[in-house]
Amino acid sequence: DAGVIQSPRHEVTEMGQEVTLRCKPISGHNSLFWYRQTMMRGLELLIYFNNNVPIDDSGMPEDRFSAKMPNASFSTLKIQPSEPRDSAVYFCASSLLASGGDEQFFGPGTRLTVL
Amino acid sequence: AQSVTQLGSHVSVSEGALVLLRCNYSSSVPPYLFWYVQYPNQGLQLLLKYTSAATLVKGINGFEAEFKKSETSFHLTKPSAHMSDAAEYFCAVSEKGGSNYKLTFGKGTLLTVNP
Repeated sequence: DAGVIQSPRHEVTEMGQEVTLRCKPISGHNSLFWYRQTMMRGLELLIYFNNNVPIDDSGMPEDRFSAKMPNASFSTLKIQPSEPRDSAVYFCASSLLASGGDEQFFGPGTRLTVL
Repeated sequence: AQSVTQLGSHVSVSEGALVLLRCNYSSSVPPYLFWYVQYPNQGLQLLLKYTSAATLVKGINGFEAEFKKSETSFHLTKPSAHMSDAAEYFCAVSEKGGSNYKLTFGKGTLLTVNP
């Protein structure tokens, strides 16, 4: 299995631009998670999906952030408009969450820089 | 809500020395606990997990952790550090929200191994 795939790996954009991050979870997994990692705040859960349905989006910082999962093999995280404080590494993870003891598998991350 | 506290944001050891990374959790129910490792410029990967079976859990790369309910701790140890162990380590607890589970991570501990 190729693991969780994220694209792009690096994104540099200017303030005000729209940014779309993409994630392909591991085939067969039914849960998908978006995290943000910064030096100041550590690893934060933004949103997670179960069976393509958003379950908890309480970590989404504000309305500029949106996430979709149109099918079991694809998810996007969009920031519109982007701001310099959105600069961070964004991780996608997937899991077969049959129980609380199931492992989450992380992608390599997208490093976003907003100038 | 459950939470995780990692004591020490940075631990430095000599090669061959004991590694001890501390993690305490708060939970109102028997927890699922995890240790993840993040190497530079990579995503997180699972080291080991506790799921209410044996209290001493063995993981990859010679790491192990002991669940101590009386101390609400899940400290990570390795008898002899190797240069390749230099990375950031995250303790996490699995939390149930409704019928779904999500992970709450600690702030992380950066392990430096000196030659």
